[in-house]
Amino acid sequence: EPEVTQTPSHQVTQMGQEVILRCVPISNHLYFYWYRQILGQKVEFLVSFYNNEISEKSEIFDDQFSVERPDGSNFTLKIRSTKLEDSAMYFCASSDKYSNQPQHFGDGTRLSIL
Amino acid sequence: EDQVTQSPEALRLQEGESSSLNCSYTVSGLRGLFWYRQDPGKGPEFLFTLYSAGEEKEKERLKATLTKKESFLHITAPKPEDSATYLCAVQAGNQFYFGTGTSLTVIP
Repeated sequence: EPEVTQTPSHQVTQMGQEVILRCVPISNHLYFYWYRQILGQKVEFLVSFYNNEISEKSEIFDDQFSVERPDGSNFTLKIRSTKLEDSAMYFCASSDKYSNQPQHFGDGTRLSIL
Repeated sequence: EDQVTQSPEALRLQEGESSSLNCSYTVSGLRGLFWYRQDPGKGPEFLFTLYSAGEEKEKERLKATLTKKESFLHITAPKPEDSATYLCAVQAGNQFYFGTGTSLTVIP
């Protein structure tokens, strides 16, 4: 069964550095998402992406964050000038034709900011 | 403010002991309610989508129902392999809101 893959599984970065989290969504899916989950807290929506542009973003997704689909298979989340509070699990997800279809999640990247 | 609340936070059941998990929501313009299962160290795994009040979906020992204000995930005769955290999420417009989940432990 097709799956969403995320790399790396764990990323350790110094505060103030830039980090790029990578995702390969399911190949025929059209909608792509990033979420984060701070340890012990709920999953939080960051951004959705469709047709090569952001379709929706949450209040969390400020100028520090950006997303990109650099080629036909990868979907990336860039965090500039990381802060301690950016430490979290980041999940990528993708869904089929419509935005209210089930989302399929990767197993996440654990981001640790030192 | 849009909100999703799940109860109970944790539930311990004996194998075969049926129960229900609750997800109540206050959002405007519900476009879908989703149930996911999350195992430790893994991403959420899709279980069900419900789109309108009165809708029901069933899969093996799980059954999800939806009203205008809440959804239930019924677990019939659970097995130890059903132990996981069950997450509820709602889509309002193009925003997605998750609850904090119910951690289910099924004891053999």
